[in-house]
Amino acid sequence: GAGVSQSPSNKVTEKGKDVELRCDPISGHTALYWYRQSLGQGLEFLIYFQGNSAPDKSGLPSDRFSAERTGGSVSTLTIQRTQQEDSAVYLCASTPGLVGSPLHFGNGTRLTVT
Amino acid sequence: GENVGLHLPTLSVQEGDNSIINCAYSNSASDYFIWYKQESGKGPQFIIDIRSNMDKRQGQRVTVLLNKTVKHLSLQIAATQPGDSAVYFCALAQGAQKLVFGQGTRLTINP
Repeated sequence: GAGVSQSPSNKVTEKGKDVELRCDPISGHTALYWYRQSLGQGLEFLIYFQGNSAPDKSGLPSDRFSAERTGGSVSTLTIQRTQQEDSAVYLCASTPGLVGSPLHFGNGTRLTVT
Repeated sequence: GENVGLHLPTLSVQEGDNSIINCAYSNSASDYFIWYKQESGKGPQFIIDIRSNMDKRQGQRVTVLLNKTVKHLSLQIAATQPGDSAVYFCALAQGAQKLVFGQGTRLTINP
């Protein structure tokens, strides 16, 4: 079956522009996560959704970052007024929502802010 | 916050040898632990998981060991192959639904 799909796979944007990153989770997965991975680093938690609600937004770095999920499926991560330090790979993952089940990751969106 | 760290950032082994990747954690309340493999340009791929009521779990060529006393997790890969070259991350559950990841160990398999 299809895995987690993220688009675009690469995005180059100018400093100050807004960007939208999209995630299509595995069908039927109720929980969806966004992580950020800087070059050579581990994964930094940003936000997770259970259904359309976000019980934990604690990882969003600033108010320039926001995310939404509609229909319990597709999620969009929006970064406003991008800065160079926002350059990273943004990874999305989904899981059936059961406690203690592994996350299934997409291949990420590589964002470069020039 | 949780601290998940690795003993070595890089590990090189000869093809066919066994490899062991280690991970230390500080949150004794964590009850679920996972190892992921990440190849260049791809997202992390699930390898194996273990719950806190176990101390060992085996998969195909991989074994995870959990020592809750010293808060230590390890991944053993038997008879390493070139395809095992990747970055390996440990992760642990913080709260009901959040996974916290370590910084990763780069495993290189020498022919």
